[in-house]
Amino acid sequence: GDSVTQMEGPVTLSEEAFLTINCTYTATGYPSLFWYVQYPGEGLQLLLKATKADDKGSNKGFEATYRKETTSFHLEKGSVQVSDSAVYFCALSDQASGGSYIPTFGRGTSLIVHP
Amino acid sequence: GAGVSQSPSNKVTEKGKDVELRCDPISGHTALYWYRQRLGQGLEFLIYFQGNSAPDKSGLPSDRFSAERTGESVSTLTIQRTQQEDSAVYLCASSLLRRTDTQYFGPGTRLTVL
Repeated sequence: GDSVTQMEGPVTLSEEAFLTINCTYTATGYPSLFWYVQYPGEGLQLLLKATKADDKGSNKGFEATYRKETTSFHLEKGSVQVSDSAVYFCALSDQASGGSYIPTFGRGTSLIVHP
Repeated sequence: GAGVSQSPSNKVTEKGKDVELRCDPISGHTALYWYRQRLGQGLEFLIYFQGNSAPDKSGLPSDRFSAERTGESVSTLTIQRTQQEDSAVYLCASSLLRRTDTQYFGPGTRLTVL
């Protein structure tokens, strides 16, 4: 079945540092890929997504490129802020047999940014 | 329009009692999902509703858990005879039924079983 593997956290950075959170996936079909973010005390919300190979999703200074050849969707940001402290979830959505769409989520990576 | 809403936001109950959690999805969203998130953990899929098709219950952890959905509207997740290990945040999400579609999450219900 489908699976998503993302780097374990917590990732601890100083403000303005460069961020990479690795995400790799396995899928039987041609999935869409997502990054969701969960700020402290809140529900998950979409950060960015890419729906086909070589697409780059971007939002709030974060970027991720859909790499089919390496089955990866790594999240990057050039200069993190304290307000980026959150848990980040990589996910994929693919059509399973029977037509259902049950997204597969990674375990989440906690990011802590210090001033 | 309005986002996904869930109620109650917090629920404290005694072990052995039944609880009912409610989710109001975004209007027009065919798919509705329930997840469980234990403290510091990832998302655990529970159940999926797709239009009028039979729900996918493959993630329900025991027969104490059940869920219903009325058409493409409100869903309720019921936990019978609650146990302390049921303590978690229960998240609901809805989406359109396409591979490219985003899931929209509610704020969750924090369940504490004493």
